Amino acid sequence: DTAVSQTPKYLVTQMGNDKSIKCEQNLGHDTMYWYKQDSKKFLKIMFSYNNKELIINETVPNRFSPKSPDKAHLNLHINSLELGDSAVYFCASSQGDSPVYNEQFFGPGTRLTVL
Amino acid sequence: GQNIDQPTEMTATEGAIVQINCTYQTSGFNGLFWYQQHAGEAPTFLSYNVLDGLEEKGRFSSFLSRSKGYSYLLLKELQMKDSASYLCAVRDDYKLSFGAGTTVTVRA
Repeated sequence: DTAVSQTPKYLVTQMGNDKSIKCEQNLGHDTMYWYKQDSKKFLKIMFSYNNKELIINETVPNRFSPKSPDKAHLNLHINSLELGDSAVYFCASSQGDSPVYNEQFFGPGTRLTVL
Repeated sequence: GQNIDQPTEMTATEGAIVQINCTYQTSGFNGLFWYQQHAGEAPTFLSYNVLDGLEEKGRFSSFLSRSKGYSYLLLKELQMKDSASYLCAVRDDYKLSFGAGTTVTVRA
């Protein structure tokens, strides 16, 4: 009965490789997010989708490309991985993107290590 | 943009009370959230304030003053399991921005 799930939990890869992280939510939420949490613990929004439509696209290198095949899934593909991409990536979902109701439910995180 | 400040670390004794302050400057305000994050785990929602005043939820309470750009999270009757990072987050017109978090260590 996992609410927000991510795979893989750990990802170790070489610089220059391309990798994907998958996220699924079974809460029936309309909005999904990708966050990056670096070694200093700052949690920063990267992307947000509402009903498969991109609504937030922060200043993120275009090596990062999100894809939402349906509103229950939001995947993150990263091309040409760099050392600075090493971080924990969290997927999250919320009922909607309205400010009125914005409690977010987070997945367990994917710890990406680029060597 | 957002500017969210909270102390880096706090230590308290089991059974005691700890207050974690958060100050913010934001262009547009639509609520302030507190999340708890245990080491190696995902953040989990604790509280939400959009109007001034105190919201109480069991051992945890959160206060907001919009005119001062200030909030605090009050943890009462501390337990060892409360050792975690506490993240203050502010919602502007379209996104949630997080502070760096306050690591609370509860000692026996």
